[in-house]
Amino acid sequence: AQSVTQLDSQVPVFEEAPVELRCNYSSSVSVYLFWYVQYPNQGLQLLLKYLSGSTLVKGINGFEAEFNKSQTSFHLRKPSVHISDTAEYFCAVTPPGGGNKLTFGTGTQLKVEL
Amino acid sequence: DTGVSQNPRHKITKRGQNVTFRCDPISEHNRLYWYRQTLGQGPEFLTYFQNEAQLEKSRLLSDRFSAERPKGSFSTLEIQRTEQGDSAMYLCASSPTSLAHTGAEAFFGQGTRLTVV
Repeated sequence: AQSVTQLDSQVPVFEEAPVELRCNYSSSVSVYLFWYVQYPNQGLQLLLKYLSGSTLVKGINGFEAEFNKSQTSFHLRKPSVHISDTAEYFCAVTPPGGGNKLTFGTGTQLKVEL
Repeated sequence: DTGVSQNPRHKITKRGQNVTFRCDPISEHNRLYWYRQTLGQGPEFLTYFQNEAQLEKSRLLSDRFSAERPKGSFSTLEIQRTEQGDSAMYLCASSPTSLAHTGAEAFFGQGTRLTVV
């Protein structure tokens, strides 16, 4: 079984500042890793994913994440946030061949302030 | 719009009533998933289909819940004798069968928000 921990439930940040949203996972097998974003009253949209290869992955809207196998982490970063980045961010994992069933963390609310 | 479509977007029902939600996946996607999301939590897996076959059900899916996907196209999720604890956002997602094609990406609909009063 897999589990995902997002320790920060809320992250306030000023516009144009950098941000990091933390994600740690636990799994006895290798996993694919994802970050999804959810705007109010909307479904989830994929930001980026790590399947294999380079541990630094780039996604949409200027976000990137780095996979660290030894620390079982997949932290999300953006060098300069915008007001429009205010949303809930979810980290998720699925084992390869595991039916695409995603296990999500509890989410991090990113609030960008002027 | 070729994304995942869910109807209705909102549903308010009285405790004890039955409700049914519909999900239309992306047309070429063989796999369809249902998730439930309560306030302050991440989505939790309920069940998934490959074509018309329901391959896995979570223990969260009590016997009051039933899901179908006739003909492997749209899917319905029915909740019988609703309880206040069923209040949540119900999300549908779809993905292609082949992991090699998209790397296991799931595309989500906007969800159906259920409120049981």
